[in-house]
Amino acid sequence: DADVTQTPRNRITKTGKRIMLECSQTKGHDRMYWYRQDPGLGLRLIYYSFDVKDINKGEISDGYSVSRQAQAKFSLSLESAIPNQTALYFCATSDPAGGPQGNEQFFGPGTRLTVL
Amino acid sequence: GENVEQHPSTLSVQEGDSAVIKCTYSDSASNYFPWYKQELGKGPQLIIDIRSNVGEKKDQRIAVTLNKTAKHFSLHITETQPEDSAVYFCAASLGSGGGADGLTFGKGTHLIIQP
Repeated sequence: DADVTQTPRNRITKTGKRIMLECSQTKGHDRMYWYRQDPGLGLRLIYYSFDVKDINKGEISDGYSVSRQAQAKFSLSLESAIPNQTALYFCATSDPAGGPQGNEQFFGPGTRLTVL
Repeated sequence: GENVEQHPSTLSVQEGDSAVIKCTYSDSASNYFPWYKQELGKGPQLIIDIRSNVGEKKDQRIAVTLNKTAKHFSLHITETQPEDSAVYFCAASLGSGGGADGLTFGKGTHLIIQP
């Protein structure tokens, strides 16, 4: 079974709809992240969470919100989707015990979201 | 904030030849530099990383070099094989176990291995 799972894998929605993307992990990591990937732009950080009570904005948080329901679950919501939020969304986890100068992030398989 | 530039955007090499991808970063406080490989339809996967107290690191056919003075780091793949075809991303972080604000990624290099 995959360590980091994302649901749904694909979603097509209409402008103005509320959308929730879910991420679950079985790695036991405290830290979780949401990124979006656009062609030619790499991955950009939307939100990150260091534990259930800690939520932080990333580079491009406008138009998004998150919820950390448990250590293993981190959801990303688009309250009112717009076409320029069409992208590939990735969830990732990391373990702070991996070292003081940075450590590996483990990515889920991604959710392809299309907003019409 | 941190800015990471990656070149080239596309790289085509003959099977068996070497491939080099280069990245520069802007924040001298960054101290963790991972490289990720993304295959079609999958999430990025770490292939090698380097920390600021090391100048070079090697793992079989893959090596990474870091020049902190010039603020650039490079990925070297030798004896390329068809399975090396993928998109490669460099990234930089301020550390603190994955980064106080996550990773800043380059825009990616599409590596094509020609048979």
